[in-house]
Amino acid sequence: DAGITQSPRHKVTETGTPVTLRCHQTENHRYMYWYRQDPGHGLRLIHYSYGVKDTDKGEVSDGYSVSRSKTEDFLLTLESATSSQTSVYFCAISSRTSGPTDTQYFGPGTRLTVL
Amino acid sequence: GESVGLHLPTLSVQEGDNSIINCAYSNSASDYFIWYKQESGKGPQFIIDIRSNMDKRQGQRVTVLLNKTVKHLSLQIAATQPGDSAVYFCAENMAGTALIFGKGTTLSVSS
Repeated sequence: DAGITQSPRHKVTETGTPVTLRCHQTENHRYMYWYRQDPGHGLRLIHYSYGVKDTDKGEVSDGYSVSRSKTEDFLLTLESATSSQTSVYFCAISSRTSGPTDTQYFGPGTRLTVL
Repeated sequence: GESVGLHLPTLSVQEGDNSIINCAYSNSASDYFIWYKQESGKGPQFIIDIRSNMDKRQGQRVTVLLNKTVKHLSLQIAATQPGDSAVYFCAENMAGTALIFGKGTTLSVSS
């Protein structure tokens, strides 16, 4: 998984509780991404980061926030989890050093269930 | 909005056959395309990529073909093996924008 770890790998939580997912990379890549994957929707971008403290919204950012205080760590927070946020969450990284290419490498995923 | 899609949600082949997985894209300005493989319970794994200035690119047992005239992308897997069973996604990218992923084709290989 290209030097990417995600924690926790599985989590069950209750509606209304805060949840933080962590992505850690050892590749020193500049770009990091959070996606969610749901049946019938494929992979959808939540937020991404293009450097320490530099983040931007993706397609489905409502209800999520992110932080990146170090190159190697990208955190995804659900301030108040809802059942619609039950999903599998993937972190990805890319170096974007090859011109227009944007090859992204993915972590193993976190399965989140909100009851 | 524009998105990348796949022609077939499932594909079943016999071990040893060649597999062809298709993908149609709608953004004629896209200049970079990637194929990913995702096994059950794992994250997507990069297989092969191609830029818009190319028509064909070969890897180990895989070939990607790009037809810009009809906005079509295909992944060919030679001598398909049971270990190739997975969901395959195509993705497109226009310089400076985020990757757009298709929904995937499930490849089932029977021995």
